[in-house]
Amino acid sequence: DAKTTQPNSMESNEEEPVHLPCNHSTISGTDYIHWYRQLPSQGPEYVIHGLTSNVNNRMASLAIAEDRKSSTLILHRATLRDAAVYYCILRDANTGTASKLTFGTGTRLQVTL
Amino acid sequence: DAGITQSPRHKVTETGTPVTLRCHQTENHRYMYWYRQDPGHGLRLIHYSYGVKDTDKGEVSDGYSVSRSKTEDFLLTLESATSSQTSVYFCATRGAGAYEQYFGPGTRLTVT
Repeated sequence: DAKTTQPNSMESNEEEPVHLPCNHSTISGTDYIHWYRQLPSQGPEYVIHGLTSNVNNRMASLAIAEDRKSSTLILHRATLRDAAVYYCILRDANTGTASKLTFGTGTRLQVTL
Repeated sequence: DAGITQSPRHKVTETGTPVTLRCHQTENHRYMYWYRQDPGHGLRLIHYSYGVKDTDKGEVSDGYSVSRSKTEDFLLTLESATSSQTSVYFCATRGAGAYEQYFGPGTRLTVT
């Protein structure tokens, strides 16, 4: 399975944008890029996903490099509620219908006033 | 939210005893998953189900079995619990054709 590399931790000030990087240099053409986050003492929650083009939703934006070897999750205005562990995950579209996810250790985002 | 509940939420048990964790969903999602999360690791897939009575192994399935007799329930059983199975267990579901998985609140299991 293609792996991802993320920084262990990042800090941000509240109400400022946050750019969370993810490297996936061995990504294959059929790998989707998924982001999940896990708030303290909760299960993970889906944030966003993409294949080749940049994506926006109500929670965040996903910027995908042209060669697809890296991506960046963008939180436009961080709030204290965004403090969480963020996971960048590659999901192979060819794994059949199981859509299994392989989680790494993610990036712990701290948001301060 | 996908209406996922897990029971029990906390359990302490002794080595060698059987344990069953239950995941219940109200969204009629086809796919269900069991993960475990340990310090220093991300979530690791134990077993998953792609329909009633259809299950398959994940990456850390040794010592665990699962059953799915109804769409809404996915049971994880530890036949003889060991201390290495002390962990937080998360259930997840996914609708057919959907991209995202929805996770339950987790069950903290301690095996003494």
